[in-house]
Amino acid sequence: EIILTQSPATLSASPGGRVTLSCRASQSIGDNLAWYQQRPGQPPRLLMFGVSTRATGLPGRFSGGGSGTQFTLTISSLQSEDFAFYYCHQYNKWPRTFGGGTKVEIE
Amino acid sequence: QVQLVQSGAEVKKPGASVKVFCKASGYNFASYGISWVRQAPGQGLEWMGWVNTYNGNTYSAESFQDRISMTIETATTTAYMEVRSLTSDDTAMYYCARDKMAISWSPVDYWGQGTPVTVSS
Repeated sequence: EIILTQSPATLSASPGGRVTLSCRASQSIGDNLAWYQQRPGQPPRLLMFGVSTRATGLPGRFSGGGSGTQFTLTISSLQSEDFAFYYCHQYNKWPRTFGGGTKVEIE
Repeated sequence: QVQLVQSGAEVKKPGASVKVFCKASGYNFASYGISWVRQAPGQGLEWMGWVNTYNGNTYSAESFQDRISMTIETATTTAYMEVRSLTSDDTAMYYCARDKMAISWSPVDYWGQGTPVTVSS
C-alpha cells in the first residue's frame, strides 16, 4: 500500500498569509494526486486533482505542484474560509489512500 | 444535479454488522465508480474500498478485506456497504463518494452526507 505522509500536522498562519502544505508518497504515483479540504461537520471537498488542476470554482489562490513522490499545495493570501483540514489522496494504485492531514489554523 | 444520499445513523453492539446505503441520482450510475471512506472521531480520512458500478467488481483496503462487502443495485442506483464483526474501533462517520471521471484512475468529487455509526455495548 502507498503511504502518504503529510507535513506539518498543524500549520499556523495569519489571514492574508501564504502557506505550503507537503505530501510525500512512499513510491511514485505519477500525477494521480488530489487534495481535499474539510471543514468541521462537513464532508471533504475536492480542491485539486492531477497534482495541479483546480476543481471547478476553486479560487486561483490555491495551487498544486510536484511530481513522483513529492507534492505541495500552496494557498496564497489566506481567507477566513481556508482555515480547515487538508488531505492529500493518491488514486494511482489500489488500494487508494489518504494522507494523515494538515490542519491550517489561525495564528 | 449529482446527489448521493446516505442512510441514517446506526447504533450497533460489538460483533454485529451494519449495512449502509448510498442512493445516487443526477447522473449515469453505471459510469462512475463509488468509494467508501470513513472518519473516526477527531481522526483523518480512511479509504475503505471501491465498487465498479458497471459490473460490481470491488477493491478494498487490506485492513477491511475480510470484513466488508460492497454491492450495487443498478435498478435503484444504490450502492451498499456492509461491515461485519464490528468493534468500538469501527465507530466513525462513513461516507460514500463518486469518482470524478469515468476512468480507472480518478479522484472522487461528489460525497454523500455521511452516515454516523456508533458501536457500543
